[in-house]
Amino acid sequence: GNSVTQMEGPVTLSEEAFLTINCTYTATGYPSLFWYVQYPGEGLQLLLKATKADDKGSNKGFEATYRKETTSFHLEKGSVQVSDSAVYFCALRPGGGSEKLVFGKGTKLTVNP
Amino acid sequence: NAGVTQTPKFQVLKTGQSMTLQCAQDMNHEYMSWYRQDPGMGLRLIHYSVGAGITDQGEVPNGYNVSRSTTEDFPLRLLSAAPSQTSVYFCASSLPDRLEAFFGQGTRLTVV
Repeated sequence: GNSVTQMEGPVTLSEEAFLTINCTYTATGYPSLFWYVQYPGEGLQLLLKATKADDKGSNKGFEATYRKETTSFHLEKGSVQVSDSAVYFCALRPGGGSEKLVFGKGTKLTVNP
Repeated sequence: NAGVTQTPKFQVLKTGQSMTLQCAQDMNHEYMSWYRQDPGMGLRLIHYSVGAGITDQGEVPNGYNVSRSTTEDFPLRLLSAAPSQTSVYFCASSLPDRLEAFFGQGTRLTVV
């Protein structure tokens, strides 16, 4: 079946620290991979995506690389800001034309000044 | 563009009551879906629709009904609310093969 496992939170960092949130997946076929972000009191927004092996998604200083050999899609940012405080969800869309999204449990990030 | 609009934002129900959570999108998206978000569980798919007149069950459909009479609207009905349905509900829409799903701001439902 399809599943996503991401690191448990919460994660607390100081401003300008380096961020890594680990995400691994299990999927049949060739999934697309996503990171969504949820700011307090809001819905989810797409942060970045990758559709095939070795693709790198990037946005707002965040990056993640689709690693088929390790079935991973780890989220990284070199220097976090207080405004990055949010919950981050790793997700996959199975191949074969499915529109369904399978989400990880989410990782809450708090960045302190 | 309004995007995906959910109403209400907050709701308290008594056990056994029924209600409908509304979801509307103005982007002419064919695919719409409902998720529930529970602490430590991520988002789980309740029901989805690939177009008007077509709906199907997701991972956790029990206790919920949906219908899709128009492209724009995808209401979620709770027939007899239970405390286990206390959750935050999100509606989402997307175009086929466009990869990005757009989410509403959520409805926080408490069943007492």
